[in-house]
Amino acid sequence: GQQLNQSPQSMFIQEGEDVSMNCTSSSIFNTWLWYKQDPGEGPVLLIALYKAGELTSNGRLTAQFGITRKDSFLNISASIPSDVGIYFCAGRSYNTDKLIFGTGTRLQVFP
Amino acid sequence: SQTIHQWPATLVQPVGSPLSLECTVEGTSNPNLYWYRQAAGRGLQLLFYSIGIDQISSEVPQNLSASRPQDRQFILSSKKLLLSDSGFYLCAWSWRDTSTDTQYFGPGTRLTVL
Repeated sequence: GQQLNQSPQSMFIQEGEDVSMNCTSSSIFNTWLWYKQDPGEGPVLLIALYKAGELTSNGRLTAQFGITRKDSFLNISASIPSDVGIYFCAGRSYNTDKLIFGTGTRLQVFP
Repeated sequence: SQTIHQWPATLVQPVGSPLSLECTVEGTSNPNLYWYRQAAGRGLQLLFYSIGIDQISSEVPQNLSASRPQDRQFILSSKKLLLSDSGFYLCAWSWRDTSTDTQYFGPGTRLTVL
């Protein structure tokens, strides 16, 4: 099925560094969601975005709904070991009632 | 508050055996329900979604089926498992109100077909 382009595929960073990942779509979206998945568990919602240009924070996490409606990014500031996991973006375009998921960004944080 | 449960948590089944995975949601009524499969190291593939009892849409042709015998219960089944059915199966729910698309996931079931 259709998937979003999510990058990078993986990141290996040192504790305390900032992280940035993004998703792009070929079609206009009216919803962007960011999830985190720990090994062997279901994805947990981090941030939901519903308006173009919207910038939302959740603790050290910040996500933005791109002005073009075709992209979104997630930033994590001052990373800590518990940030390790796979981060997924998800979105819905106007012509469908289903979410489309990105391929995920695997984050590793080294002390 | 709403909670979503899946069981079993893990399952090892031989090829050709039947399958039944269960998902239940508590704390809400008339939810939309979804079944996803996640292959190792991969993204989420939507298998089925349901907007009501006996209203189920299939996204991918396969030997799996889904049923919704009660409003907050969603079941994934197979009559004969294939090796390719191995994976991590996730159930999710969302509010019926289409103004919000947020889906909330269960803990998942790890299925290994040998």
